Amino acid sequence: EPEVTQTPSHQVTQMGQEVILRCVPISNHLYFYWYRQILGQKVEFLVSFYNNEISEKSEIFDDQFSVERPDGSNFTLKIRSTKLEDSAMYFCASSLGSNQPQHFGDGTRLSIL
Amino acid sequence: DQQVKQNSPSLSVQEGRISILNCDYTNSMFDYFLWYKKYPAEGPTFLISISSIKDKNEDGRFTVFLNKSAKHLSLHIVPSQPGDSAVYFCAASATASKLTFGTGTRLQVTL
Repeated sequence: EPEVTQTPSHQVTQMGQEVILRCVPISNHLYFYWYRQILGQKVEFLVSFYNNEISEKSEIFDDQFSVERPDGSNFTLKIRSTKLEDSAMYFCASSLGSNQPQHFGDGTRLSIL
Repeated sequence: DQQVKQNSPSLSVQEGRISILNCDYTNSMFDYFLWYKKYPAEGPTFLISISSIKDKNEDGRFTVFLNKSAKHLSLHIVPSQPGDSAVYFCAASATASKLTFGTGTRLQVTL
């Protein structure tokens, strides 16, 4: 069964550095998402992406964050000048249509030191 | 943000019995609801969904019930199996947008 893949599974970065989290969505899906889950808290929406542009973003997704689909298969989340509070599990998801189930990857655990 | 609530943090059920997981929501704009299962160190796995035009959707051992007037949905698993032990999240969206998740219910299916 096709699945969403995320790399790396764990990223450790010094505060202030930039990180890029990578995702390969399911190949025929058209909608792409990033969510995060801070330890002990809910899974929360960051951004959705369709037709090569952001379709919706949360208030968390400020100028520190950006997303890109650099080619036909990858979908990346860049976090500039990381802060301690960016430490979380980051999940990528994709869906075939806007009102179709979103399928999630296994996440990248981001640890900011 | 308490738009989606799962009031039971945990549930223990014997193998073979029915598991009933509950979820309440407050946003009347939600029109699409999903249940996900999550194992440790894995991402949420989609189980079943329901749109607001229906009140029931069934897929094998899993059935989701939606009560719009009460703003309540539930997931029934019957019969429960040990492999069903996981954290279950309900999620909701409004007009095909982002998912809003509940806090999850940890289900333990005992032998």
